[in-house]
Amino acid sequence: QQQVKQSPQSLIVQKGGIPIINCAYENTAFDYFPWYQQFPGKGPALLIAIRPDVSEKKEGRFTISFNKSAKQFSLHIMDSQPGDSATYFCAARGRSGSRLTFGEGTQLTVNP
Amino acid sequence: NAGVTQTPKFQVLKTGQSMTLQCAQDMNHEYMSWYRQDPGMGLRLIHYSVGAGITDQGEVPNGYNVSRSTTEDFPLRLLSAAPSQTSVYFCASSYKLNTEAFFGQGTRLTVV
Repeated sequence: QQQVKQSPQSLIVQKGGIPIINCAYENTAFDYFPWYQQFPGKGPALLIAIRPDVSEKKEGRFTISFNKSAKQFSLHIMDSQPGDSATYFCAARGRSGSRLTFGEGTQLTVNP
Repeated sequence: NAGVTQTPKFQVLKTGQSMTLQCAQDMNHEYMSWYRQDPGMGLRLIHYSVGAGITDQGEVPNGYNVSRSTTEDFPLRLLSAAPSQTSVYFCASSYKLNTEAFFGQGTRLTVV
């Protein structure tokens, strides 16, 4: 049973475009929502994370938007670059002591 | 600082063979975990440990065993490999259960 649903499965944009990756969750006990970035042959690495007490968080060109009532959150990459080409995973975790649940992943390709 | 080190990087097994995937971390992290990554399914938790001598099952534990005799090491054992265990395996560690997870570079396992 997938508790975090991620879309799209793959995404291709041109350099400078703004790819958007969406995630939806079911468990209202989740209170921490990270995004991980994974390059080929590497392990996932934490990119940015948000808690449900804020609706948006920015770190450089990466922004998380969070809609608590809709139980959805999304990752936006501003001015995307070919070096952003990677697989992106959203995840969710409940209160202290619970484990990360991952979405299915989105393979992003940014063409030059 | 090596972080999370996994060995081997690649492995081919015959059905029925056993093997151990090694994971070591040098960050004095309490929490360690094993995930498997399959296309379109994200990362799924196999087993985890909240400290030396303590292990518990994750989402997909069948066919795998773990032990945690030291803080640093968390090996994953496949007792009798099956083709369904063909996957990429990631070990992760974090200081506490609810802090940032650091992933190893993965082991690509093929069972024929």
